[in-house]
Amino acid sequence: AQSVTQPDARVTVSEGASLQLRCKYSYSGTPYLFWYVQYPRQGLQLLLKYYSGDPVVQGVNGFEAEFIKSNSSFHLRKASVHWSDSAVYFCAVSSSNTNKVVFGTGTRLQVLP
Amino acid sequence: AQTIHQWPVAEIKAVGSPLSLGCTIKGKSSPNLYWYWQATGGTLQQLFYSITVGQVESVVQLNLSASRPKDDQFILSTEKLLLSHSGFYLCAWSLDLVEQYFGPGTRLTVL
Repeated sequence: AQSVTQPDARVTVSEGASLQLRCKYSYSGTPYLFWYVQYPRQGLQLLLKYYSGDPVVQGVNGFEAEFIKSNSSFHLRKASVHWSDSAVYFCAVSSSNTNKVVFGTGTRLQVLP
Repeated sequence: AQTIHQWPVAEIKAVGSPLSLGCTIKGKSSPNLYWYWQATGGTLQQLFYSITVGQVESVVQLNLSASRPKDDQFILSTEKLLLSHSGFYLCAWSLDLVEQYFGPGTRLTVL
């Protein structure tokens, strides 16, 4: 069965600092992996996605993530965070042969000015 | 450009009352459509998905039902609300079975 683990419920960093949000997945086949961001009282916005190829994928607003198959991980990174990055970030897994998407529990990011 | 609209924006309903939430996609033909439920401060739980008009698959029912009466419309409903139905309901669409785009959501409070 598919599952996604985001071990950090909350992360607090200072503006300008680097960021890593962790995500580990469990999936028996070839996974499609996603990071979404949710701002307060809004829907989800896709940050980036991984289907195949280069394991490092670039997303919007300077975010990137690296797919490490041996570790079943897809951590999200940003070199320098801005206060506007404060939001909840969700990692998700799916595949090409299913309409089912499994989300992690989310990580609430607070960026201190 | 494609747009996704959800209505209402928010609802406050009594336990035992009926509910109908709507979702409309404009600018895309024959999208796959999805309903998600998010408890306050929680993760997203996929409820239903639909590949075509009139066809809806249940992932987790939670005493809810869904219908797709038109190509661009997805409805979530129940005849009797429970307290546990409170939360944030999100509609999403995709074309390739994988990458999904979310609507703004409907916040439901059941009292």
